[in-house]
Amino acid sequence: DARVTQTPRHKVTEMGQEVTMRCQPILGHNTVFWYRQTMMQGLELLAYFRNRAPLDDSGMPKDRFSAEMPDATLATLKIQPSEPRDSAVYFCASGLGQWTNYGYTFGSGTRLTVV
Amino acid sequence: DAKTTQPPSMDCAEGRAANLPCNHSTISGNEYVYWYRQIHSQGPQYIIHGLKNNETNEMASLIITEDRKSSTLILPHATLRDTAVYYCIVYNTDKLIFGTGTRLQVFP
Repeated sequence: DARVTQTPRHKVTEMGQEVTMRCQPILGHNTVFWYRQTMMQGLELLAYFRNRAPLDDSGMPKDRFSAEMPDATLATLKIQPSEPRDSAVYFCASGLGQWTNYGYTFGSGTRLTVV
Repeated sequence: DAKTTQPPSMDCAEGRAANLPCNHSTISGNEYVYWYRQIHSQGPQYIIHGLKNNETNEMASLIITEDRKSSTLILPHATLRDTAVYYCIVYNTDKLIFGTGTRLQVFP
């Protein structure tokens, strides 16, 4: 089965450090979502792309978070500088956004711990 | 914001049908109802979706009321592996917004 690949699976970093999370969407998928999940807030949508163009990043703290798709096979989410409150699991999902007959496929997530 | 309302938790005996309700009274005519589930520590998994007709696949059945203001996800023979949080989402090619979902506990 085709998979969405997220790296790294786990990341522990010190406060103030830059963190980069990567997502390889399924080949041919044109829509990519980034989510953050914590116990308190649940699944929060941070940003999403269609055909590599950012459509909405209103869920992201703009001063420290950035999301990009340098090419169709890679999406990145960066946090600089990281803070302890950024500790969460970050999920990426890909799909064929304009066709509503398909669900989105999620990756296994990156578990980020900022100490 | 999520456009759906679900009970926070439900229990179901193993082997019995699990019926998970969802209210989406403000759904628009071109919006689909999607169901996902999230098993502990994993990414959400697509289950099924529908517009106005009832749908069935190998995982579940989806019953949508005629006025489309509510729906029910049916797991016909729940197993312990179906223990998860189930999310009902209204969607039409825009943002995929998750609510708080229903935590289904299947017990032996």
